[in-house]
Amino acid sequence: ETGVTQTPRHLVMGMTNKKSLKCEQHLGHNAMYWYKQSAKKPLELMFVYSLEERVENNSVPSRFSPECPNSSHLFLHLHTLQPEDSALYLCASSLGLAGNTGELFFGEGSRLTVL
Amino acid sequence: AQSVTQLGSHVSVSEGALVLLRCNYSSSVPPYLFWYVQYPNQGLQLLLKYTSAATLVKGINGFEAEFKKSETSFHLTKPSAHMSDAAEYFCAVLNTGGFKTIFGAGTRLFVKA
Repeated sequence: ETGVTQTPRHLVMGMTNKKSLKCEQHLGHNAMYWYKQSAKKPLELMFVYSLEERVENNSVPSRFSPECPNSSHLFLHLHTLQPEDSALYLCASSLGLAGNTGELFFGEGSRLTVL
Repeated sequence: AQSVTQLGSHVSVSEGALVLLRCNYSSSVPPYLFWYVQYPNQGLQLLLKYTSAATLVKGINGFEAEFKKSETSFHLTKPSAHMSDAAEYFCAVLNTGGFKTIFGAGTRLFVKA
């Protein structure tokens, strides 16, 4: 099992669809993150969860809805997206937030295309 | 507020030449600093990190970086480039006690045969 697994790797959806991205970490970490990676822009932190509790919602539009049912799983629910939401969505985990020395472990990403 | 600036969105070197990727940071408190690498169609992987111990940090694949507080820099170097080093490299900063890692825009490294 790789450390952080994301599914699906590729997703094409229309603006009226509802879909979800899934992330699973097998590292025993307590914190999980969603980042958005768009072409020619720095990675944007979207959401942070610590022990299943959301600690950061970085001014993300409500059409993105995160869910963290336990410390190993993180979802990003998508609905009524816009073409500008097309990007690579990266999930990451870290040991925890307390005493955090910051090393993030990333999944391979979910490439989203909104038509 | 913390921020990261990577100078040069693209760097091209010949195989065997020195690699130098530049990173300057801004932080109101002592920072942790990182370099990550991203190969095509993959996520980011940690190359090395500075967490207030030695200012010269050695990482994987022969890379190293030096923390220079007076210059607010954390440049990444490798003495001899290899074709397999071609990738995108990201510098990142995290404030001590914080949890928001802020990334630079990335530098794509090309290695010519």
